Amino acid sequence: AQSVTQLGSHVSVSEGALVLLRCNYSSSVPPYLFWYVQYPNQGLQLLLKYTSAATLVKGINGFEAEFKKSETSFHLTKPSAHMSDAAEYFCAVNLNTGNQFYFGTGTSLTVIP
Amino acid sequence: DSGVTQTPKHLITATGQRVTLRCSPRSGDLSVYWYQQSLDQGLQFLIQYYNGEERAKGNILERFSAQQFPDLHSELNLSSLELGDSALYFCASSVARGELFFGEGSRLTVL
Repeated sequence: AQSVTQLGSHVSVSEGALVLLRCNYSSSVPPYLFWYVQYPNQGLQLLLKYTSAATLVKGINGFEAEFKKSETSFHLTKPSAHMSDAAEYFCAVNLNTGNQFYFGTGTSLTVIP
Repeated sequence: DSGVTQTPKHLITATGQRVTLRCSPRSGDLSVYWYQQSLDQGLQFLIQYYNGEERAKGNILERFSAQQFPDLHSELNLSSLELGDSALYFCASSVARGELFFGEGSRLTVL
């Protein structure tokens, strides 16, 4: 069963526009949720994480995500895109079943000048 | 710097050969994970170890094997290599229900 779904494998936004990357999860237990960013030829870097505290989570580089239990979503947003935001973004969930992580298929963000 | 160290960073070898990728997790992290990332398959979970014991298996081929040693470093062995094994191999470590910390990856090219 797919635990994490990222809608849109490719997203393009203009510089200065809102960034919205979608992530939905499936879980019967309270999940821990994560967003990672991968720049070309680099490893994955944690952007932010939700661990059952505040539902609105702020991360690095101006990104934030909101945990919505009713919608089983954890969408990533940034008010104003910058050229340096162009990268691959991965949503992940930890269901605490043996500390296993499940990753989405990734969303490639392109920022148009 | 994530604190996870992977060697080698780049590796070029021929089909049929065997290679070993090494990973040193962050100090104190007992869990080690291996992932394969290729253009056509995306990020694929291979295997997880916890304190020396195999914890979970993903899409790991029988030609591949891994182990975690008492000092917690891990090795991923890839044998009878095929062209399709060319990929980035990532190691990551974590504490219980914490985030994953990824290494910079080992880029394997099979010619």
